[in-house]
Amino acid sequence: DIQVTQSPSSLLASLGERVTITCQTSQSISNNLNWYQQKPGQAPMLLIYYATSLQTGMPSRFSGQYSGRSFTLTITSLEPEDIANYFCLQHYSAPPTFGSGTKLEIK
Amino acid sequence: QVKLLQSGAALVKPGDSVKMSCKASGYTFTDYIIHWVKQSHGKSLEWIGYINPYSGGTNYNEKFKSKATLTVDKSSSTAYMEFSRLTSEDSAIYYCAQRWFDYWGQGVMVTVSS
Repeated sequence: DIQVTQSPSSLLASLGERVTITCQTSQSISNNLNWYQQKPGQAPMLLIYYATSLQTGMPSRFSGQYSGRSFTLTITSLEPEDIANYFCLQHYSAPPTFGSGTKLEIK
Repeated sequence: QVKLLQSGAALVKPGDSVKMSCKASGYTFTDYIIHWVKQSHGKSLEWIGYINPYSGGTNYNEKFKSKATLTVDKSSSTAYMEFSRLTSEDSAIYYCAQRWFDYWGQGVMVTVSS
């Protein structure tokens, strides 16, 4: 199975701050990685697909990049409604595997 | 728009089985596979398997092969997952998700307790 290592596990940031979350995969997966936002008690929502494509309807302050086996999700300017858990998913090969999640909170 | 509506929370006894549903709307049900995912302790996620609603074909995570059974009812655009021989380790939230995890259901909280 492909291992996905996500960091940090938790993050305290100020409103307006730039935030970066990283996922590293144990082997090459091309761009087959999605990013999700999950608020307490809610289903995950797709933010970024194929590593860099912003899902329709999601704010443009969210962006994704990748280089090799390292993938990043960036929020350019943190808003109050961005407080959530974020996780990544690789769907390059079965079984699909998930990052362990990053809990984003306001400082 | 695409919606996946899951059945309600379940409280079950150890050793029992539970069957949960995922009703799809807003697209042609047989066009896309349905995945099932387990979320434990509010964070970590595991893929259980998927079913192809068109053919009924399935693919399971080895870890859940003897635990989960995936089926569909095309007439009602509903996918089902039955989880058997439940233990406390199976207490979790279970999600269905469509296609390449584009859209997710709201989740079913399963609590296994005597």
